[in-house]
Amino acid sequence: DSGVTQTPKHLITATGQRVTLRCSPRSGDLSVYWYQQSLDQGLQFLIQYYNGEERAKGNILERFSAQQFPDLHSELNLSSLELGDSALYFCASSVGDSPSTDTQYFGPGTRLTVL
Amino acid sequence: DAKTTQPPSMDCAEGRAANLPCNHSTISGNEYVYWYRQIHSQGPQYIIHGLKNNETNEMASLIITEDRKSSTLILPHATLRDTAVYYCIVRVGRASGTYKYIFGTGTRLKVLA
Repeated sequence: DSGVTQTPKHLITATGQRVTLRCSPRSGDLSVYWYQQSLDQGLQFLIQYYNGEERAKGNILERFSAQQFPDLHSELNLSSLELGDSALYFCASSVGDSPSTDTQYFGPGTRLTVL
Repeated sequence: DAKTTQPPSMDCAEGRAANLPCNHSTISGNEYVYWYRQIHSQGPQYIIHGLKNNETNEMASLIITEDRKSSTLILPHATLRDTAVYYCIVRVGRASGTYKYIFGTGTRLKVLA
């Protein structure tokens, strides 16, 4: 158990809908990361927050947005969902955001299925 | 952006060293190389990272070539529990001061009994 929690574990929804994935980091960690893992594209880094501020951005679609709240939990919002958004979404956390403090601990993931 | 290239799969006999290569020929001087592994669909697990010096921890060793264009992850005595997909990742800096992580496609390591 990494100490990172993600809810829900599974989510089934329809195209065009909007969903919110939630992540609670390990106690004491200030950074939160989001990743998407689909069958045909492997692991894709989406975005990172450090103490509420966006610090790193990958290939995150405009339909997706994220934020980190004052209590350090984070939410990833996915809107206008398409079939291709079906994937495992992982959250990770680390103490900081420098190479000496960015060892990431991953949660168990949320499996999103868009029908 | 830096790009990482890894062989799609490798086999290794149990008890032998597993050497997993990664090519990152476009890496810049201050960009770190990280290795993570993923067992089935579990969340990836950190293994090791480095900039230009060789690194060793309780799990593995990381050898980075002098020109930094490639690296090798070494699992000194592979066990069946090391069967996983191993990802080589580069942390790419940007002029704005932000950065992003570029994942390779991963090497599926199978440790054979």
